[in-house]
Amino acid sequence: EDQVTQSPEALRLQEGESSSLNCSYTVSGLRGLFWYRQDPGKGPEFLFTLYSAGEEKEKERLKATLTKKESFLHITAPKPEDSATYLCAVLAGSSNTGKLIFGQGTTLQVKP
Amino acid sequence: GAGVSQTPSNKVTEKGKYVELRCDPISGHTALYWYRQSLGQGPEFLIYFQGTGAADDSGLPNDRFFAVRPEGSVSTLKIQRTERGDSAVYLCASSLNRGHEQYFGPGTRLTVT
Repeated sequence: EDQVTQSPEALRLQEGESSSLNCSYTVSGLRGLFWYRQDPGKGPEFLFTLYSAGEEKEKERLKATLTKKESFLHITAPKPEDSATYLCAVLAGSSNTGKLIFGQGTTLQVKP
Repeated sequence: GAGVSQTPSNKVTEKGKYVELRCDPISGHTALYWYRQSLGQGPEFLIYFQGTGAADDSGLPNDRFFAVRPEGSVSTLKIQRTERGDSAVYLCASSLNRGHEQYFGPGTRLTVT
């Protein structure tokens, strides 16, 4: 069964304290891995897509990387406005489906 | 440009009633998805449309749930005989085509009393 696990469940950082969020996956035939940010009471906001092992994408203080078993979201010198829940999702299996399988998310709190 | 919109933003209904949730996708997006999110969990897939047809409805929990997209744009998720366990945030997303990144709406919070 396809599965996505994120760790840690919650993370508290001081402003400027860099860290990484982990997304481990077990799927048959990865077609893409997606990172989203979700603020309370809002829908997920798209951040990155990664398609193959070794690929990296960057946006401001965020960098996403992908291996054959996991993805990392690195946050460099975070600011309080980076506080949110970060969701990882995979697109896998048959090319006939667009179904995303999500992890449970990592809730990040950045304190000033 | 306009993103994905969903109405209503909140819906409170009594157990056993029928509800309809509406989704307006981004213009030009051929693929549309419905997900359900419970508190503290990631979204859970319900159904995917490519154009007017339901290409994958494997996530619908039972036959009380049904969704349509008659003209290949707006979609409606319909829930019959609602149960308290149906309470959740229902999210709609659209993408240019399947396999592309999905853009989510703000969700409809459904509460069944």
